[in-house]
Amino acid sequence: GEDVEQSLFLSVREGDSSVINCTYTDSSSTYLYWYKQEPGAGLQLLTYIFSNMDMKQDQRLTVLLNKKDKHLSLRIADTQTGDSAIYFCAEIQIYNQGGKLIFGQGTELSVKP
Amino acid sequence: NAGVTQTPKFQVLKTGQSMTLQCAQDMNHEYMSWYRQDPGMGLRLIHYSVGAGITDQGEVPNGYNVSRSTTEDFPLRLLSAAPSQTSVYFCASRVDSSVGETQYFGPGTRLLVL
Repeated sequence: GEDVEQSLFLSVREGDSSVINCTYTDSSSTYLYWYKQEPGAGLQLLTYIFSNMDMKQDQRLTVLLNKKDKHLSLRIADTQTGDSAIYFCAEIQIYNQGGKLIFGQGTELSVKP
Repeated sequence: NAGVTQTPKFQVLKTGQSMTLQCAQDMNHEYMSWYRQDPGMGLRLIHYSVGAGITDQGEVPNGYNVSRSTTEDFPLRLLSAAPSQTSVYFCASRVDSSVGETQYFGPGTRLLVL
C-alpha cells in the first residue's frame, strides 16, 4: 500500500503504552481502520474512526486522527504480551462502485515481559 | 456461521503449474475480494467482486483470474504459477461495497512456488 505508510517495527515492555502511527494520502477517506493480525491468522478488525472525529476510545485502545496532517495513531494502554501482533491501518478509497480498503505495510508490535 | 473460509491452508507448486484457491462465505455478503500479503508490503488488492457475475481488477491483478458465479464463492486462479506469486493470500468479504461496512477476512492460504 504505497498510499498508506507505517513504520515496520515497535518494541515495548509489558505494562507500557504502545503508539502505532500511520499516514495516509486520500483526504476523501471517510473511515480509517485498524486491523490486528496474530501469527498465522487472518486480519481482525480492531477499531475504526469516522473522518469527522478526532478521537475514539475503546477500553485500552485510543485512536487519534489528525485530518490536516493525514495522520492516524493507535495507542494501546497497559500493553500485554497478548497484544504482540502485526497492526495494519487502512483507509477507504472511493471509486464508482463503492469503497476499497487500502492497507499500510503493517507494524509488528513486540511486547517484552 | 462459518464466516469466510479458505482452502487449502498450504500449497507448494512448481513453476508453470496451475491451481485454484477457494474462498467461500456464508454471510450472504455481496462484496468479496482477494489480497496477497508480502513482507514489508502490507496487503495488496488482487481482484474484487461487488456481486455475483461482477468482478474487477485491483492493484496487482496480473497472473490471476477470478470468477463469481454465486454469491457464496469467489475462487482465485493461477493459470501458470511463478515464484513471484509466493505469498500469503487472504480472501475477504463484507455486506456490500458501501463505505463503512466491516470487512471480514479468511484465515489465509500460504503458497510457495518453486
